[in-house]
Amino acid sequence: QQQVKQSPQSLIVQKGGISIINCAYENTAFDYFPWYQQFPGKGPALLIAIRPDVSEKKEGRFTISFNKSAKQFSLHIMDSQPGDSATYFCAAGETGGGNKLTFGTGTQLKVEL
Amino acid sequence: NAGVTQTPKFQVLKTGQSMTLQCAQDMNHNSMYWYRQDPGMGLRLIYYSASEGTTDKGEVPNGYNVSRLNKREFSLRLESAAPSQTSVYFCASSELLGRSYEQYFGPGTRLTVT
Repeated sequence: QQQVKQSPQSLIVQKGGISIINCAYENTAFDYFPWYQQFPGKGPALLIAIRPDVSEKKEGRFTISFNKSAKQFSLHIMDSQPGDSATYFCAAGETGGGNKLTFGTGTQLKVEL
Repeated sequence: NAGVTQTPKFQVLKTGQSMTLQCAQDMNHNSMYWYRQDPGMGLRLIYYSASEGTTDKGEVPNGYNVSRLNKREFSLRLESAAPSQTSVYFCASSELLGRSYEQYFGPGTRLTVT
């Protein structure tokens, strides 16, 4: 069963635009929600993460919005740049027990000039 | 400081052959993980090791075995490879620091089973 649902599967945005990727989870025990960025031929790398005690976290052009009651969270990339073209994965985890993460299926983002 | 290293980078196997994927980390992390990545499926956890001496099944463990050799090394073995195991395999490690447990990923092993 898919515990973390991610959409859209792919996204094309113009340079300078806003990229928005959405995720929804089912397990209310999840207490850690990171986003990972992956470039072709590389392993994923942590981009930004949030805990459910805050509704928003911003780091530079990247913002996570979190809605605990709806069990949803999203990544917003402001002023999107061609260098942001990559695959983005949301994930959810439960602290303890090995700190496992359950990943979404990924969003392939392309930022066009 | 190499982070997480994986060998080999590429491998082609015939159905029924066996092989071991090697992973090592130099960050003194307690937890290590093996994932497979398939198009449209995201990253799926195969096995993980919360600490040295322990291993547990993840979401897709069938057809795989693991060994946590020591704190640094965590290997993944395919005893009898099948075409369904064609995938990109990633090893990762993590440590709980405050309220974050960032997983650091290796560069991956691209495996093809014919």
